[in-house]
Amino acid sequence: NAGVTQTPKFQVLKTGQSMTLQCAQDMNHNSMYWYRQDPGMGLRLIYYSASEGTTDKGEVPNGYNVSRLNKREFSLRLESAAPSQTSVYFCASTEGLAGGDTQYFGPGTRLTVL
Amino acid sequence: AQSVTQLGSHVSVSEGALVLLRCNYSSSVPPYLFWYVQYPNQGLQLLLKYTSAATLVKGINGFEAEFKKSETSFHLTKPSAHMSDAAEYFCAVSPHLGSARQLTFGSGTQLTVLP
Repeated sequence: NAGVTQTPKFQVLKTGQSMTLQCAQDMNHNSMYWYRQDPGMGLRLIYYSASEGTTDKGEVPNGYNVSRLNKREFSLRLESAAPSQTSVYFCASTEGLAGGDTQYFGPGTRLTVL
Repeated sequence: AQSVTQLGSHVSVSEGALVLLRCNYSSSVPPYLFWYVQYPNQGLQLLLKYTSAATLVKGINGFEAEFKKSETSFHLTKPSAHMSDAAEYFCAVSPHLGSARQLTFGSGTQLTVLP
C-alpha cells in the first residue's frame, strides 16, 4: 500500500496564480485533512472532510478551497496565491473521526509564493 | 480549549545518551495524546499514542512515553540515542470525547544526535 500520496512535491508560484494540491489515500479511510506547517508553529488544520461528500473549515481556512472528489481523493485549491501561503502542506487521513484515531500523513508539498 | 506545550525547540544529545523530550498539555479531562516524528523532507509518522489504557506507552524504534495526570505531562524518552533518531518530534492532543479534527499539535522539538 502507498498510504497517503501527494502531488506535486514542490511548487513555486507567483502572487495571484492559482494551483491545486492533490491528495489520495488507499487505506479506505473515511476522513481526510489538509494541514499547513510553518516554522515554530506545528501543524494547523486548514480544512477537513469527515466523509465523502462533506467538507468543513479548520483553524486557518481563509484563501483556500477544498474538494472531496471521492472517498480516496481530497484536493486543496489556492485561487489567488499570496506570499503568506508559502508553507509546507500535508494531507492526512483517519479511519473515522474518533479522537483516538491515528492520522496518517503524506510526504508533503513544499510551496513557495513569490 | 486544549493546548500542548513542548519545552525546548532544540535538544542535543550524544549518541548512546538518554533522550528526553518534554510535553505538557492542558485539558479539562485526560485527552488522547500522541507523539509523531518527522524525518527531514518527509511527512509525520506516529511514534506512539495514549488512549487511556496503560499509562506507560511503548512505541516504535525503542521510544516510550508515560502519561502523568497529576503533572499533565506526556514526556517522550529513549534510553540510548542513535544517529538515526535525529528528526523533529511533535506532541499532539485530541479531546477524549471529541473529534480527530480537533487534534492540536505542539510547536515541535528538533532532536540532534551528536557522534
